[in-house]
Amino acid sequence: RKEVEQDPGPFNVPEGATVAFNCTYSNSASQSFFWYRQDCRKEPKLLMSVYSSGNEDGRFTAQLNRASQYISLLIRDSKLSDSATYLCAVIPRYQLIWGAGTKLIIKP
Amino acid sequence: NAGVTQTPKFRILKIGQSMTLQCTQDMNHNYMYWYRQDPGMGLKLIYYSVGAGITDKGEVPNGYNVSRSTTEDFPLRLELAAPSQTSVYFCASTRGGKETQYFGPGTRLLVL
Repeated sequence: RKEVEQDPGPFNVPEGATVAFNCTYSNSASQSFFWYRQDCRKEPKLLMSVYSSGNEDGRFTAQLNRASQYISLLIRDSKLSDSATYLCAVIPRYQLIWGAGTKLIIKP
Repeated sequence: NAGVTQTPKFRILKIGQSMTLQCTQDMNHNYMYWYRQDPGMGLKLIYYSVGAGITDKGEVPNGYNVSRSTTEDFPLRLELAAPSQTSVYFCASTRGGKETQYFGPGTRLLVL
């Protein structure tokens, strides 16, 4: 089993819809969790950190479920500009471990 | 404040050639990382450094070498380039090992 696994993509979603991604991790001692966004042929950029109590930033909500060992990202009222690959990253010990990413395509 | 810069942006190498990918950060970050990203795949850690003079191997170090003589610079050396090293290489830095990583724009390498 991979240390960090993400939903396979691509997700094709109409503009205005709500979309959710999950990311599972294998090490129960993992301490830090992140969602990054990566545009085509660009570097990853931090979208949001994921806190134990869950956190929200505008249309984006991130949640952590320690019991089931996964994090989630919810995007509401999706925009064309949300089209990108979303990477989750987890720190099980002292290094970030990355998921392979989920590609999101928002259609007009 | 430039953040993390990488040079070159793109390079074509012949099999067996060598090159150095440059990475510089101006945020006074202690931790620096080199990743490679193959098409449609996630990031794989090649080498990392927790401070000047200290480096360690990541998941896929074979065929690469690094050095960290200053806080700012973390060059990645490819010796005897192979087609399997065709990839996009990202350098990243962070203040502490468990904090947000900031990435450079990447170097696209093609080995023919």
